[in-house]
Amino acid sequence: DTAVSQTPKYLVTQMGNDKSIKCEQNLGHDTMYWYKQDSKKFLKIMFSYNNKELIINETVPNRFSPKSPDKAHLNLHINSLELGDSAVYFCASSKEGDRSSPQHFGDGTRLSIL
Amino acid sequence: RKEVEQDPGPFNVPEGATVAFNCTYSNSASQSFFWYRQDCRKEPKLLMSVYSSGNEDGRFTAQLNRASQYISLLIRDSKLSDSATYLCVVIRGTGRRALTFGSGTRLQVQP
Repeated sequence: DTAVSQTPKYLVTQMGNDKSIKCEQNLGHDTMYWYKQDSKKFLKIMFSYNNKELIINETVPNRFSPKSPDKAHLNLHINSLELGDSAVYFCASSKEGDRSSPQHFGDGTRLSIL
Repeated sequence: RKEVEQDPGPFNVPEGATVAFNCTYSNSASQSFFWYRQDCRKEPKLLMSVYSSGNEDGRFTAQLNRASQYISLLIRDSKLSDSATYLCVVIRGTGRRALTFGSGTRLQVQP
């Protein structure tokens, strides 16, 4: 009964490959997010979707493409992986319109590029 | 200037000590404020919301100073289990939102 689940938890791959990370939430939330936490531990928003609509797209290379098939899922596809993509990627969800509603995070996906 | 700034620490304190963290934010239109806790190699978890009137949850007290644009977290009677990174989080504006995280303050409580 995990609230926000991400797969895989660990992803080790070579430079130049294409990979996807999946995220699902069972909280009934309507907004989902992807964050990147780099080696300096700084957590930064990448994308946000509300009811399958992209609402936030920070300065992220277009090699990163989020896809939301429904409001319970937000997947992240990364093309042509680079060394600098190595980081922990966190998915999160929240209830739109409720300013006091905290965001719930998944366990994170640790991506290592060889 | 970063939108949310925190002293990275580490703060090394003995068990039982009282420790306080501050965080400043640059966007005066920021609406909501939180403290999250992140353990090593784990996801951030909400510790507490921060209200203008200040709020307390057990050993933890959070306060907001809108005039000076900072929030604080006070931990009394520190426990070993309080060792973690504490993230100051701000929601900017009133529109669709994302959390803006500070870089975190590392706390190490020592026996």
